[in-house]
Amino acid sequence: DQQVKQNSPSLSVQEGRISILNCDYTNSMFDYFLWYKKYPAEGPTFLISISSIKDKNEDGRFTVFLNKSAKHLSLHIVPSQPGDSAVYFCAASEPSWGNTGKLIFGQGTTLQVKP
Amino acid sequence: GAGVSQSPSNKVTEKGKDVELRCDPISGHTALYWYRQSLGQGLEFLIYFQGNSAPDKSGLPSDRFSAERTGGSVSTLTIQRTQQEDSAVYLCASSLRTRRQGASGYTFGSGTRLTVV
Repeated sequence: DQQVKQNSPSLSVQEGRISILNCDYTNSMFDYFLWYKKYPAEGPTFLISISSIKDKNEDGRFTVFLNKSAKHLSLHIVPSQPGDSAVYFCAASEPSWGNTGKLIFGQGTTLQVKP
Repeated sequence: GAGVSQSPSNKVTEKGKDVELRCDPISGHTALYWYRQSLGQGLEFLIYFQGNSAPDKSGLPSDRFSAERTGGSVSTLTIQRTQQEDSAVYLCASSLRTRRQGASGYTFGSGTRLTVV
């Protein structure tokens, strides 16, 4: 039962263009979402988050959009840079998990940014 | 240390053997998490420790899996009688805060790649 789904295993974009990574979820109780970035042989690192009271959060070149009615979020990277090449995970949590910080992760999307 | 340290980085074991994976969290981080990533899968929550509270073991896949956290610091994840489906990258994370919004404060280790042959 995959509550958080990243249906695109990989994405390739040209340097300078926009990268759009998508994530769908099934649990309507999720109210907090995060994106993590992972380089090979390293642990994931936090990138950006969004609460369900918002539909957009922006941090530099990274913007996360949340569409609650569609249970869909996306990460936009503009402009894409070769150093952005990594695996991107979306993650979610729900209020009933209280303050545990427990997260449900998607399968990840491998982004390749070509010079 | 400056980051979350996990050892070993790689472990190959024979089916049926027991293995221990170690996690050294960032000093002062009260919350510690174990996740695993199997091939083609997302990160799967295994267990959570917070201070002296009883751990949340809801993610452990079977009773062959157990974890301890001694002195509120180092944690050991033990897998008994390993099976091939246990092959995965086991990731440890720690955080200073336990508020859900504090999940942005997770720091992950580099993981232990476990291969059961």
